[in-house]
Amino acid sequence: DSGVTQTPKHLITATGQRVTLRCSPRSGDLSVYWYQQSLDQGLQFLIQYYNGEERAKGNILERFSAQQFPDLHSELNLSSLELGDSALYFCASSVATDGAGGYTFGSGTRLTVV
Amino acid sequence: GENVEQHPSTLSVQEGDSAVIKCTYSDSASNYFPWYKQELGKRPQLIIDIRSNVGEKKDQRIAVTLNKTAKHFSLHITETQPEDSAVYFCAAINSWGQNFVFGPGTRLSVLP
Repeated sequence: DSGVTQTPKHLITATGQRVTLRCSPRSGDLSVYWYQQSLDQGLQFLIQYYNGEERAKGNILERFSAQQFPDLHSELNLSSLELGDSALYFCASSVATDGAGGYTFGSGTRLTVV
Repeated sequence: GENVEQHPSTLSVQEGDSAVIKCTYSDSASNYFPWYKQELGKRPQLIIDIRSNVGEKKDQRIAVTLNKTAKHFSLHITETQPEDSAVYFCAAINSWGQNFVFGPGTRLSVLP
């Protein structure tokens, strides 16, 4: 167990629907990062939060949004889902704002859009 | 922004041989370079990292070297074992706390 908890582990939904992925960072970590990994692809950075505030934005679609709550857990909201959104979504956390010391990844949420 | 290239995309070696994966980065402000190993269906895990003030770091069978002038860094795995088979990702980050930029990954296969 890495200490980063992601729920749910698996999610199957239909096109056009909306889902919420949840991440609880490792105790003491203030930064949360979201990544998308499509089949046999690399890790595409979506967004970073630090202590409740958005810190950096990557290739995140307008249909996607995220937030980090006062208890530091984060949610990634995906709406108007398309088949191409099927992927493994990872959350990672780090104690530092710049990720120095490395990320700790959660086990991921596998989203299947049918 | 930062751009990280990684080569080769696939690598097959015989058990016991060495494996080398190379990455280049574009942002001279990058100062932290971690390597992650991802086994099939699992989460990426940090295996070794290096900061820009260090040229080389070793941890048992794995080592990382950094050439700041040339903006490239490499992962070296010696005496490879079948359990080293995985996808390896390099990454670069700068001191301003910008997002990690990962390389596209290298699929390493260690053949028995």
